[in-house]
Amino acid sequence: TQLLEQSPQFLSIQEGENLTVYCNSSSVFSSLQWYRQEPGEGPVLLVTVVTGGEVKKLKRLTFQFGDARKDSSLHITAAQPGDTGLYLCAGPNNAGNMLTFGGGTRLMVKP
Amino acid sequence: ETGVTQSPTHLIKTRGQQVTLRCSSQSGHNTVSWYQQALGQGPQFIFQYYREEENGRGNFPPRFSGLQFPNYSSELNVNALELDDSALYLCASSLGSGQVYEQYFGPGTRLTVT
Repeated sequence: TQLLEQSPQFLSIQEGENLTVYCNSSSVFSSLQWYRQEPGEGPVLLVTVVTGGEVKKLKRLTFQFGDARKDSSLHITAAQPGDTGLYLCAGPNNAGNMLTFGGGTRLMVKP
Repeated sequence: ETGVTQSPTHLIKTRGQQVTLRCSSQSGHNTVSWYQQALGQGPQFIFQYYREEENGRGNFPPRFSGLQFPNYSSELNVNALELDDSALYLCASSLGSGQVYEQYFGPGTRLTVT
């Protein structure tokens, strides 16, 4: 069974601070996805990382896939209150027909 | 382009009852996956439907069943409801041969079992 562990579980920071959240597994994934979920809504896909060592940037968000494709990180620069939400990582099984999600990191950015 | 829609938004049921949740996939998407998200946790995969057939199933008992219709919309049925079934049920659609890449989620149905 492929498991994804996210850390930290909760993070409360002030506007303007930088932060990094982590997604770790003992299993190799062909790709990993990052989602953001706001209260009362479904998760929204932010990015998919596919190649080991890959770095993708989405405005102030930087996503990295580990060289061994077992872990990933999300770094947010100069966090804003609009970044508040639940950040989820997810990876497909070998058949590609099932996504395993991590437990999520709940981020609160205070103005 | 219409996104993924789910109905109802909220639902309260009593233990032992049966419930049906509905999902309309994004226009043109032929694959629908269902997830259960307990409070404070990440979503857990229930099953996926592709071309009107189950195409993968997570660790959920048989009382969780589903259907996909020719227009790609889908239903999730849960029989003999238990208190632990209280959760947000998410539907996600994607375009492809039963793969889970580039999934688009609906807003979910919040089920409370009392």
